[in-house]
Amino acid sequence: LAKTTQPISMDSYEGQEVNITCSHNNIATNDYITWYQQFPSQGPRFIIQGYKTKVTNEVASLFIPADRKSSTLSLPRVSLSDTAVYYCLVGSRMDSSYKLIFGSGTRLLVRP
Amino acid sequence: DAGVTQSPTHLIKTRGQQVTLRCSPKSGHDTVSWYQQALGQGPQFIFQYYEEEERQRGNFPDRFSGHQFPNYSSELNVNALLLGDSALYLCASSLDREDGTNEKLFFGSGTQLSVL
Repeated sequence: LAKTTQPISMDSYEGQEVNITCSHNNIATNDYITWYQQFPSQGPRFIIQGYKTKVTNEVASLFIPADRKSSTLSLPRVSLSDTAVYYCLVGSRMDSSYKLIFGSGTRLLVRP
Repeated sequence: DAGVTQSPTHLIKTRGQQVTLRCSPKSGHDTVSWYQQALGQGPQFIFQYYEEEERQRGNFPDRFSGHQFPNYSSELNVNALLLGDSALYLCASSLDREDGTNEKLFFGSGTQLSVL
């Protein structure tokens, strides 16, 4: 099973860049890496997805090294509203079935 | 374009009762997954429905069952409720890829179930 490991929590200040790293040593060849953001009492919200190298969209960047055993979500110039839990997901393939497994996530606290 | 909608938003039940939660997927999506999220934990995969059949299942007892309708909407049923079933139940929809690999999930806001 492809399992992810992330820091339990991180603190930052408004305007700083935040980098959250996720390790996924058993990632499968055709797995993508996806990050979600979740606020209390809401469903997770898609942030970014990538397969290798670097992906950038309007809210974040995702860096994936060549061996794909880890990935780093980069949030530029965070604001108070970025305080949330961030989840890194990869697919989990077992006995020809496939499902997405959430870890415990990283609780990001952005301070003024 | 409506996103994923779930009903009800909140529900209170007592032990031993049965509950049905409902989900309408995002327009154009054909796959529905259900997750259970206890307070302070990450979402736990319950099962996934595709073409009206349960395609994958997580480590949940048979008390948890589901259904997908021809219009792709889905229901989650939980029988013989336990106190430990109190959680936020999330529905996520996606579009199936040919190789069945990673799909971008779109989540609803969930149903908060309290079992007393």
